[in-house]
Amino acid sequence: DIQLTQSPSFLSASVGDRVTITCRASQGISSYLAWYQQKPGKAPKLLIYAASTLQSGVPSRFSGSGSGTEFTLTLSNLQPEDFATYYCQQLNSYPYAFGQGTKLEIK
Amino acid sequence: QVQLQESGPGLVKPSETLSLTCTVSGDSISGYYWSWIRQPPGKGLEWIGYIFYSGSTSYNPSLKSRVTISVDTSKNQFSLWLSSVTAADTAVYYCARKRNSAWYGFDMWGQGTMVTVSS
Repeated sequence: DIQLTQSPSFLSASVGDRVTITCRASQGISSYLAWYQQKPGKAPKLLIYAASTLQSGVPSRFSGSGSGTEFTLTLSNLQPEDFATYYCQQLNSYPYAFGQGTKLEIK
Repeated sequence: QVQLQESGPGLVKPSETLSLTCTVSGDSISGYYWSWIRQPPGKGLEWIGYIFYSGSTSYNPSLKSRVTISVDTSKNQFSLWLSSVTAADTAVYYCARKRNSAWYGFDMWGQGTMVTVSS
């Protein structure tokens, strides 16, 4: 099974900052990677698929990059509504694993 | 507007079978992959398995011996059965949709339903 490791697990930042979250896969997954945002008590929301394609309706301050085993999610000009937990997920092979999550908190 | 809604008992006794249904409205269930995902309180997400509208399935090996997912296209529903539950199966259970391509993630989710395993 493919394992995903996100770093950092916790991130503290201010409104207006730029932050980057990394997701590393235990083996190559091409670009079969998605990123989700989850707020407390809510279902995850798809932000990015195919490693770098923005889901319809998602603000352009979110961007993704990477292929193979290393991927990044970058949030530019952080807004108050961006403080949440972020998960990566591999879609290369079953089982579809998620990373352990990165909680983004307001500094 | 596509909506997914989970339904089922919120409390299940240990050793019994958890049963949930996801009703899809606003679009046909055909042509998509439909998954169950769970999240224990305060923890991360775990993919349980999927069913294609045609009936083909794939399950997480960690749960495979206890999981069954079925689909009823006439009702636009799919269901999850998880047998021999323990406290470790206590979680919010989500149903979610994925397009028929490996590139896409889960683009539509239900609101989630909390299932507690306790006597």
